[in-house]
Amino acid sequence: GAGVSQSPSNKVTEKGKDVELRCDPISGHTALYWYRQSLGQGLEFLIYFQGNSAPDKSGLPSDRFSAERTGGSVSTLTIQRTQQEDSAVYLCASSLGQPNTGELFFGEGSRLTVL
Amino acid sequence: AQKVTQAQTEISVVEKEDVTLDCVYETRDTTYYLFWYKQPPSGELVFLIRRNSFDEQNEISGRYSWNFQKSTSSFNFTITASQVVDSAVYFCALSEGGSARQLTFGSGTQLTVLP
Repeated sequence: GAGVSQSPSNKVTEKGKDVELRCDPISGHTALYWYRQSLGQGLEFLIYFQGNSAPDKSGLPSDRFSAERTGGSVSTLTIQRTQQEDSAVYLCASSLGQPNTGELFFGEGSRLTVL
Repeated sequence: AQKVTQAQTEISVVEKEDVTLDCVYETRDTTYYLFWYKQPPSGELVFLIRRNSFDEQNEISGRYSWNFQKSTSSFNFTITASQVVDSAVYFCALSEGGSARQLTFGSGTQLTVLP
């Protein structure tokens, strides 16, 4: 499709397990973002990738969270040793990047439930 | 630190009524961007508008209009002649600096338009 694609759409895991969430941005978009949406915290910025620049990781809540973007396209968000407070919808977005207008195109999200 | 406040958690109107969604922001930067995003039940956030801090001109797009007032740090959104399809959660967001790489979102306003 032409939009941002995320998988899985739903993930249920047990506390302590690792999970990987995938994002396939819109072709040609150089900027990629991860946000988290939860009932208690609303929408929170996690990480930003722009081209080959070092990512802005300032929003990652702990060192259990990491993300990479391979080949400037697909990104994977990894949560190690999941905790119940990690339960949320993880939203990926992409944009043209330069100039960064803030017009983000979001995917439908990956809903993570940690039991 | 930047902050966005959407005091209206839920609003319910009858179709064809006008409705205004409030957004108040805080920032120390003189250069910033303001945004509105719509999140329908499908979950995918949809960009509606971006406004930079140097442009206080109000904008109208069809049934949508935005009122930006720096004096009151507000960026309100009005839907005229609301329709059932307007039912969604609406988020106001702020990005500081000259590059909209990290958005701070408000908590959102759930708008329900009744037939």
